[in-house]
Amino acid sequence: DVKVTQSSRYLVKRTGEKVFLECVQDMDHENMFWYRQDPGLGLRLIYFSYDVKMKEKGDIPEGYSVSREKKERFSLILESASTNQTSMYLCASSTYRENYGYTFGSGTRLTVV
Amino acid sequence: SQQGEEDPQALSIQEGENATMNCSYKTSINNLQWYRQNSGRGLVHLILIRSNEREKHSGRLRVTLDTSKKSSSLLITASRAADTASYFCGTGTASKLTFGTGTRLQVTL
Repeated sequence: DVKVTQSSRYLVKRTGEKVFLECVQDMDHENMFWYRQDPGLGLRLIYFSYDVKMKEKGDIPEGYSVSREKKERFSLILESASTNQTSMYLCASSTYRENYGYTFGSGTRLTVV
Repeated sequence: SQQGEEDPQALSIQEGENATMNCSYKTSINNLQWYRQNSGRGLVHLILIRSNEREKHSGRLRVTLDTSKKSSSLLITASRAADTASYFCGTGTASKLTFGTGTRLQVTL
């Protein structure tokens, strides 16, 4: 069964810590995405990547960076975690080859204290 | 910036009834997609409709698209308790998709 795997379901970090959220897909998809989801605000795109070592800013990139060293892995980095980054983080992937939509991971609920 | 917006924000129906939710968007699209999210989980792709299509069916799902009004609707027929979830429309391309805030559907027995 094809899937997108996020390394942690729940994560608690302290303010100022550097946080890594990992995402791996096994579908050979070209595109990968990081969204955050907050009540009343829906899903907002943080960063996306359409190829290895390529990255593009989404709508809310401030305070985040990403890394895509291999096609199957897309990491989201919070350089210095803050309480306003407490959120649900969703990783997704897609391909240009088929119009089957995005495949999402199960999400990581991050709490920054 | 959010491209699509779902309406209503919340919908409560009884099992066996039909549920209709709508999506409006602002700019031209290549396709529009609907997703379901069960509480605290990731989104699951339900159906995609291309900009040159007007209607599409998948099981108990029926999606319509009106590009002149920049709107789409998702109809779930004969709803079940298991349909309880949030539903999102996504607009954009394979390389960038934006979502609204979703419709929370509650199906009661």
